[in-house]
Amino acid sequence: DAKTTQPNSMESNEEEPVHLPCNHSTISGTDYIHWYRQLPSQGPEYVIHGLTSNVNNRMASLAIAEDRKSSTLILHRATLRDAAVYYCILRGPPDYKLSFGAGTTVTVRA
Amino acid sequence: DGGITQSPKYLFRKEGQNVTLSCEQNLNHDAMYWYRQDPGQGLRLIYYSQIVNDFQKGDIAEGYSVSREKKESFPLTVTSAQKNPTAFYLCASSTQRGNTGELFFGEGSRLTVL
Repeated sequence: DAKTTQPNSMESNEEEPVHLPCNHSTISGTDYIHWYRQLPSQGPEYVIHGLTSNVNNRMASLAIAEDRKSSTLILHRATLRDAAVYYCILRGPPDYKLSFGAGTTVTVRA
Repeated sequence: DGGITQSPKYLFRKEGQNVTLSCEQNLNHDAMYWYRQDPGQGLRLIYYSQIVNDFQKGDIAEGYSVSREKKESFPLTVTSAQKNPTAFYLCASSTQRGNTGELFFGEGSRLTVL
């Protein structure tokens, strides 16, 4: 399985942008990049996914490097509710299972 | 409302006992998954099923068993062979859309072995 590398933790101030990096140097051409986040004592929730092009949705933006060996999740204006563990995951054939690493713990300061 | 229901939310068991965790979904999803999470750690995949009557081992299947007799249900049995079963267990499902399908998670079951 292709693996991802993320920083253990990041801090941000409220209403400032947060840029969460993820390295995936062994990504294959058919792997999609998925991001999930987990609030304390809850199951993870989907944030965003992409293949090659940058993606935007109501929660975040995903910027994918041209060589696809890295990506960045962007939270445009962090709120206290964005404090969570963020997981960067690759999903692809043959089994399409999602394997979660340790993720990045994001702390938002008021 | 559509979603995934896990039960029980909290469970205590004595060493040497088997315990079964329930996971039911009404999202009409083909694929279902079981994960384990230890304090301060990420999720580790135990078993997954992409279709009824079929399932595969994940990364840490030893000491666990599953069945997938119905599309809606994917129960997990933690057997006495699991050496350290105290953990937070999460069930998830997704449409069988290959690598783009979103996973939906239940609220989890917290198992404590006394």
